[in-house]
Amino acid sequence: SQQGEEDPQALSIQEGENATMNCSYKTSINNLQWYRQNSGRGLVHLILIRSNEREKHSGRLRVTLDTSKKSSSLLITASRAADTASYFCATAQSGNTPLVFGKGTRLSVIA
Amino acid sequence: DVKVTQSSRYLVKRTGEKVFLECVQDMDHENMFWYRQDPGLGLRLIYFSYDVKMKEKGDIPEGYSVSREKKERFSLILESASTNQTSMYLCASTTSGYEQYFGPGTRLTVT
Repeated sequence: SQQGEEDPQALSIQEGENATMNCSYKTSINNLQWYRQNSGRGLVHLILIRSNEREKHSGRLRVTLDTSKKSSSLLITASRAADTASYFCATAQSGNTPLVFGKGTRLSVIA
Repeated sequence: DVKVTQSSRYLVKRTGEKVFLECVQDMDHENMFWYRQDPGLGLRLIYFSYDVKMKEKGDIPEGYSVSREKKERFSLILESASTNQTSMYLCASTTSGYEQYFGPGTRLTVT
């Protein structure tokens, strides 16, 4: 059961530009998380935002959450070639239910 | 440094073979998960476990079983491998309500 849907499916930008990825989901959530996956590797957690939070920052990452629209966005500022990866959002309906992942956005940052 | 390890990065098996994929975490996490990842389908949950000797079916458990005899180890078993089980298998662990830590993945090819 796919809960999150990322948009766009693929994104190509120049180094130094900002990258924005969006995630929409269907049911109420306890928290929403973003992960990065480099080609052929495991996923790495980037940031977790709880349902009572609206915005969170971590380094060059900024995540927003709008529970009324059931959507989240991930902004990567001043992108680098090393940011090239797939980015997934994942939602948890409660603190103890499994995460449900979207299909991901494939980001290419061109040097 | 937290760590989730998987027994193999690449595995090639024949149709009908019994396949064991091992996952070990060193973070004393209660919860462990097995996913498979296929192009265009994202991550799909196969099985998960909230405690030793406990297991719960995920979205796609058919053709798989699991074993959790010790807290740190969660094994995925393909009773009789089939070609449609060729995939990337990812293991993850977490404490409830927090981020998941993923292993590097096992790319399984069934011929």
